[in-house]
Amino acid sequence: DSGVTQTPKHLITATGQRVTLRCSPRSGDLSVYWYQQSLDQGLQFLIQYYNGEERAKGNILERFSAQQFPDLHSELNLSSLELGDSALYFCASGRQAESFYGYTFGSGTRLTVV
Amino acid sequence: DAKTTQPPSMDCAEGRAANLPCNHSTISGNEYVYWYRQIHSQGPQYIIHGLKNNETNEMASLIITEDRKSSTLILPHATLRDTAVYYCIVRAAGNKLTFGGGTRVLVKP
Repeated sequence: DSGVTQTPKHLITATGQRVTLRCSPRSGDLSVYWYQQSLDQGLQFLIQYYNGEERAKGNILERFSAQQFPDLHSELNLSSLELGDSALYFCASGRQAESFYGYTFGSGTRLTVV
Repeated sequence: DAKTTQPPSMDCAEGRAANLPCNHSTISGNEYVYWYRQIHSQGPQYIIHGLKNNETNEMASLIITEDRKSSTLILPHATLRDTAVYYCIVRAAGNKLTFGGGTRVLVKP
């Protein structure tokens, strides 16, 4: 157990729908990172939050959004889902905004869009 | 972040040392070398990182060349559970981790 909790573990939904993925960081970590891993794209950075504020943005689609709440958990919202959004979504957490160390990943949410 | 080059795959015999190379010829002075691995669709797992000195922990050793343009991750006694994709990442502190294709390591009995 890495200490980073992601729910749900699996999600199956239809095209056009909206889903929310949840991430609870390790205790004491203030940064949350979201990554998408599809078969043909590898691990792609989506977005980072630090202590409630957006810190960095990667290849995140406009249909996707995220936020980090006062209790530091984060949610990734995916809307108008397409078949190509099927992927593993990983959350990672880090101690600070600019951490010398790497960060710790959760076990992921597998999203299947049918 | 500097780009890294890794062989796409390699095999290793169980119980033997596995030496995983990584080229990062455009690394700059403030960038660290990180190694992560991903075991079959699990979340990536941190292994080790270093700046210029060789590093060792309970999982592996990291050897960085003097010019810092390449490095080698050494798994001293590979087990079947070390079968995974290994990612070499060069990153300045504070920047996101950018994953490349990695090396798919298969440990064989």
